Amino acid sequence: AQKVTQAQTEISVVEKEDVTLDCVYETRDTTYYLFWYKQPPSGELVFLIRRNSFDEQNEISGRYSWNFQKSTSSFNFTITASQVVDSAVYFCALSEEDYGGATNKLIFGTGTLLAVQP
Amino acid sequence: EAGVAQSPRYKIIEKRQSVAFWCNPISGHATLYWYQQILGQGPKLLIQFQNNGVVDDSQLPKDRFSAERLKGVDSTLKIQPAKLEDSAVYLCASSVTSGSSYEQYFGPGTRLTVT
Repeated sequence: AQKVTQAQTEISVVEKEDVTLDCVYETRDTTYYLFWYKQPPSGELVFLIRRNSFDEQNEISGRYSWNFQKSTSSFNFTITASQVVDSAVYFCALSEEDYGGATNKLIFGTGTLLAVQP
Repeated sequence: EAGVAQSPRYKIIEKRQSVAFWCNPISGHATLYWYQQILGQGPKLLIQFQNNGVVDDSQLPKDRFSAERLKGVDSTLKIQPAKLEDSAVYLCASSVTSGSSYEQYFGPGTRLTVT
């Protein structure tokens, strides 16, 4: 069965601190995709990153970086030098490869609320 | 490029009433999804369309929920009759086509409160 666990319900940091959001996933497939989405107070889910199961290279995009480790089934997200605008709920999600039109639904974790204090 | 549009943004109804939500996906996107997000939880897929055909509706409570995408473009999700536990944000998303390598773009959602 597919499952995504985000054990951190809420994190509060002071601006300019680094923060890491944890994500652990479960799947039986060898081909799958992992995602991070940001949900600001406005409610719209904003896509941040997608990685496939064959690409374990870490990725950096500005202040954001992601660490994918298949050995521990984790896909953690780090924000460096956090800013107040980073305050939001962050969701990790999993999607298994579809074959010939089967669903590619996203399985979401319960989210981590990040509050960055000025 | 216009994003995914949804209306209304907010709706308050009493239990046992009916309600409908509308979604217009990004132009040219063949795949459309409806997700339900209950407060404090991650979104859960209700139904996925590929053009005007249903790909997955395994988690749609079919005794009260229905959805259609008649012309393969915009879609309507209906609840009849509503229950208190249907209070949630209903998110519509679209992607170029089905397949996990294609990004899903989300609309702003419709927040439903059932009293």
